[in-house]
Amino acid sequence: ETGVTQSPTHLIKTRGQQVTLRCSSQSGHNTVSWYQQALGQGPQFIFQYYREEENGRGNFPPRFSGLQFPNYSSELNVNALELDDSALYLCASSPLTGTSGYNEQFFGPGTRLTVL
Amino acid sequence: TQLLEQSPQFLSIQEGENLTVYCNSSSVFSSLQWYRQEPGEGPVLLVTVVTGGEVKKLKRLTFQFGDARKDSSLHITAAQPGDTGLYLCARGGQGGKLIFGQGTELSVKP
Repeated sequence: ETGVTQSPTHLIKTRGQQVTLRCSSQSGHNTVSWYQQALGQGPQFIFQYYREEENGRGNFPPRFSGLQFPNYSSELNVNALELDDSALYLCASSPLTGTSGYNEQFFGPGTRLTVL
Repeated sequence: TQLLEQSPQFLSIQEGENLTVYCNSSSVFSSLQWYRQEPGEGPVLLVTVVTGGEVKKLKRLTFQFGDARKDSSLHITAAQPGDTGLYLCARGGQGGKLIFGQGTELSVKP
């Protein structure tokens, strides 16, 4: 069974640029969530995708957008990067919504984004 | 926002010592999860507790859910350097999200 994978591992961008992060969900999981984790903090929910549609969104501006593909993989896009966007971006997958009553999510290793 | 407060924020102990980490809120939860995150990795689910008063054990780790389902604790017996990491509690929220506490950074020195 393959776990959640993310690419790239690290990324350095400059302010104002755009970035795309990628995630492959765990086998058998069709729901993908994205989180932002600042240094020394817990992860903050960005949004969740289920059946290729946004299923819920946290308190992030519209320049954070995403996609989910038919194979359940997902992308996170961030436009007009700001210095405060520097963080670890985590992708998590979970089984069919509603079948895991406790919302257990399984995380990838993350992408470390640095904005200069 | 129904926040989760974790304490302590930082903990540095010697190998062999015992420790307890707390996760508290003013709200009642249907379930609570504990994760452990090592540097450069994503959080790994340790346990889910769902019943008030429930106690679950995972080797040297003991997890307890408060009777009123507003708090939880994680106790580690005879800590080892391999236990070093960020311990996070989390609850489910609307829209499929997990709401995390700010974490407890544990360092176990040999």
